[in-house]
Amino acid sequence: GAGVSQSPRYKVAKRGQDVALRCDPISGHVSLFWYQQALGQGPEFLTYFQNEAQLDKSGLPSDRFFAERPEGSVSTLKIQRTQQEDSAVYLCASSRTEETQYFGPGTRLLVL
Amino acid sequence: QKEVEQDPGPLSVPEGAIVSLNCTYSNSAFQYFMWYRQYSRKGPELLMYTYSSGNKEDGRFTAQVDKSSKYISLFIRDSQPSDSATYLCAMSAGDSSYKLIFGSGTRLLVRP
Repeated sequence: GAGVSQSPRYKVAKRGQDVALRCDPISGHVSLFWYQQALGQGPEFLTYFQNEAQLDKSGLPSDRFFAERPEGSVSTLKIQRTQQEDSAVYLCASSRTEETQYFGPGTRLLVL
Repeated sequence: QKEVEQDPGPLSVPEGAIVSLNCTYSNSAFQYFMWYRQYSRKGPELLMYTYSSGNKEDGRFTAQVDKSSKYISLFIRDSQPSDSATYLCAMSAGDSSYKLIFGSGTRLLVRP
């Protein structure tokens, strides 16, 4: 079946711009996660949704980062006033059980 | 010190070799252990999932968890050039099993 999809795959933003990253989870997966992966590092947890409820946002690095999943399916990660240190790959994952997470291809964000 | 340590490699082996990949960790609360494979510019792909200690085998892959030593391993038998990728270990604790903590990944190169 179809896996997790993310769009756009690549995004170049000027410093100070707002960006929105989209995630389409696997159909039927109630849990959705966002991770940030810096170059040469493993993914780092940002936030967790169960259906439309955001149960944990402890990994969001600042109040410029905001995530939502209003209807319990598609999710959007928004970054306001982007900074150069926001440059990374943003990964979305979904799952039926919390531990076995299936990742999308990621959105590669470059802030100039 | 990071919670999960992983040798970045690169690890270069000839085709057909047995590969051993390892992670150590410091948090004794970790109960769920996973191995992911990540090809360049792709998202992580779940290979193996293990709960608590013990061994698990799936085809050419064997995962081992030694909680007493806080050490996990992934063995790949009869390695193929297509196995060339970055291998990430990940783990989580029982009270927040959704929050995967990743190692930084080991780059593996299997030479034809």
